[in-house]
Amino acid sequence: NAGVTQTPKFQVLKTGQSMTLQCAQDMNHNSMYWYRQDPGMGLRLIYYSASEGTTDKGEVPNGYNVSRLNKREFSLRLESAAPSQTSVYFCASRPILTTGIRIDTQYFGPGTRLTVL
Amino acid sequence: QKEVEQNSGPLSVPEGAIASLNCTYSDRVSQSFFWYRQYSGKSPELIMSIYSNGDKEDGRFTAQLNKASQYVSLLIRDSQPSDSATYLCAVKADRGSTLGRLYFGRGTQLTVWP
Repeated sequence: NAGVTQTPKFQVLKTGQSMTLQCAQDMNHNSMYWYRQDPGMGLRLIYYSASEGTTDKGEVPNGYNVSRLNKREFSLRLESAAPSQTSVYFCASRPILTTGIRIDTQYFGPGTRLTVL
Repeated sequence: QKEVEQNSGPLSVPEGAIASLNCTYSDRVSQSFFWYRQYSGKSPELIMSIYSNGDKEDGRFTAQLNKASQYVSLLIRDSQPSDSATYLCAVKADRGSTLGRLYFGRGTQLTVWP
């Protein structure tokens, strides 16, 4: 059980380049989330997917797009990277609370460190 | 906008002392509260959850919740250098269009010195 995995771990882009950050979870969770974390700013939600087939904007969606490819995978795309998107990106997933699941919260992947020059 | 505020820190305590981390939140209807620990360069890791008023103990960690005061805290007893990390308070939206979303404080950086 790998939990939440993210690729790549590190990436350097030039301004204007595009890229997709990949996230996958093997815990059969319904909801998935993308955050960015900047020094002094805490975790800020970019987009989330409450369930397969749905996506919604979070606090800071501008400059990003997402795809919930299937129940396991949720990708984040930067179409035209800007230096302001230099950050650490975390993917997280959350189960639906059932009789077998007592803690209804989010579990995080290891993160992607992105630098945009 | 749901606000979650933490004491800004950084907090520095000697080994063996009690570290006290505090958090206040604005959403009166929230019912679920979490503490995450984040080591430098790593991802947040869940260490405590609390849903009811009062104290919840797990080893050296005690979470305290007071919904009337909209206040949640984390006490770390017998602090160890390995507890040095940033601690994030998170409040879950339990109803409405943002059901399931977590709102995070900016974190309190804790250093435990030998």
